[in-house]
Amino acid sequence: EADIYQTPRYLVIGTGKKITLECSQTMGHDKMYWYQQDPGMELHLIHYSYGVNSTEKGDLSSESTVSRIRTEHFPLTLESARPSHTSQYLCASSKGVGGTRETQYFGPGTRLLVL
Amino acid sequence: GQQLNQSPQSMFIQEGEDVSMNCTSSSIFNTWLWYKQDPGEGPVLLIALYKAGELTSNGRLTAQFGITRKDSFLNISASIPSDVGIYFCAGRGGSEKLVFGKGTKLTVNP
Repeated sequence: EADIYQTPRYLVIGTGKKITLECSQTMGHDKMYWYQQDPGMELHLIHYSYGVNSTEKGDLSSESTVSRIRTEHFPLTLESARPSHTSQYLCASSKGVGGTRETQYFGPGTRLLVL
Repeated sequence: GQQLNQSPQSMFIQEGEDVSMNCTSSSIFNTWLWYKQDPGEGPVLLIALYKAGELTSNGRLTAQFGITRKDSFLNISASIPSDVGIYFCAGRGGSEKLVFGKGTKLTVNP
C-alpha cells in the first residue's frame, strides 16, 4: 500500500482565488507527478519532478506551478483559479531506480470546483 | 507522441462472469501497468508487467504483456460487485513518462 497523501480532498472556491494543493509521500521516492483528470476520463500529466529543485512541465499545458523544496513534498499552486480549472488533480510518486522497473503510486486526489 | 488504445470503453456484465479488456499501442512499450480507480479516488495499482510475454496474476486478476510489446491484456475471473470501477492501462516506452489509456468502465450486475 502506497503512503501518499493529498489535501484537501475536496475544494470549492471562487474565481480569482489563489489555491495550493498539497501532496506528500513518506516512501522516500525521488520522482513525483501531478495529473489532471476530468471525471471518468484519462489522466493527463501536467507536472513532474525527478528530485529536489527539479520540476518540469508535462504533456498537458497547465496554468498551475509546482515546487519541490523537500523530497517528500510536491505542492501545486494556481495563482488565480478559473472555472476551467475545475477537475480532479492526482499526485503520484515513484522510486527513481531508472530503467523500466518503475511503478507509480497515486494519492487519493483533490477534486476542485471553481465557481 | 505515444498513444494507447484501450477497449472496450465500457462493459456491463453479470456477477460471476469473466471479463477481458486490452490496450494496444502504435509503438513498442517496455512496461505495462494496470490500475483500478473507484469514483472520487486515485488509481490503485493492480499488476505491473516488465517483460514481453510475461503473465502475472493477482488473485482473480491476470494480465499479460503482449509478445509484440505493443499490447497488454487484463482478465478478471468470476467477477463480483466490488470489481466495479474504471480500469486503466498505462505503458512506458523510451520516455520515462507513463502514457495512460482512456479507461474501461466496468459495471457488474448482482
